[in-house]
Amino acid sequence: DAGVIQSPRHEVTEMGQEVTLRCKPISGHNSLFWYRQTMMRGLELLIYFNNNVPIDDSGMPEDRFSAKMPNASFSTLKIQPSEPRDSAVYFCASSLRGWETQYFGPGTRLLVL
Amino acid sequence: GEDVEQSLFLSVREGDSSVINCTYTDSSSTYLYWYKQEPGAGLQLLTYIFSNMDMKQDQRLTVLLNKKDKHLSLRIADTQTGDSAIYFCAHFSGQTGANNLFFGTGTRLTVIP
Repeated sequence: DAGVIQSPRHEVTEMGQEVTLRCKPISGHNSLFWYRQTMMRGLELLIYFNNNVPIDDSGMPEDRFSAKMPNASFSTLKIQPSEPRDSAVYFCASSLRGWETQYFGPGTRLLVL
Repeated sequence: GEDVEQSLFLSVREGDSSVINCTYTDSSSTYLYWYKQEPGAGLQLLTYIFSNMDMKQDQRLTVLLNKKDKHLSLRIADTQTGDSAIYFCAHFSGQTGANNLFFGTGTRLTVIP
């Protein structure tokens, strides 16, 4: 199994631009999680999907952030418009069922100038 | 249920044992995890323990759980330079309406050759 796949691995953009991060969970996993990691705040859960349905998005910082999961093998996290304080590493993780053991992707390192 | 504390740094000599400690506050934790993050990489699940266990051993890794004191530790025997990384403790809190996986700040392990 290829594990959780994220793209791009690195993204540099200018403030105000739209950023789209992509995730392919492990095949057969029905739960998907988006996290953000910064030095100041550590790892934060942004949103959690179960069977493609968003279950808990209370961690999404503000309306500029949106996430979708159109099917079981693909999810996107979009930031529009992006701001320098959004600079972080964004991780996608998937699990077989709900909050059971999560497997993390390699992350997308985002830098907003 | 959000407080998970770890010391930030640990240095050990190659061949010695490393012990990384973690304390948490949520008594309803059901799963407790150790993740390893190498530079520029995502989080890799190392091992996990259910809250009804007090010890789990997996090759060089030993996890000890003191549920009364809410203390979790990870012992790495015969530490190698490849073990240098950041180690995150995490626990799953299953309180109704507050399901989440809470991460510690991470302990940076440096192995001195």
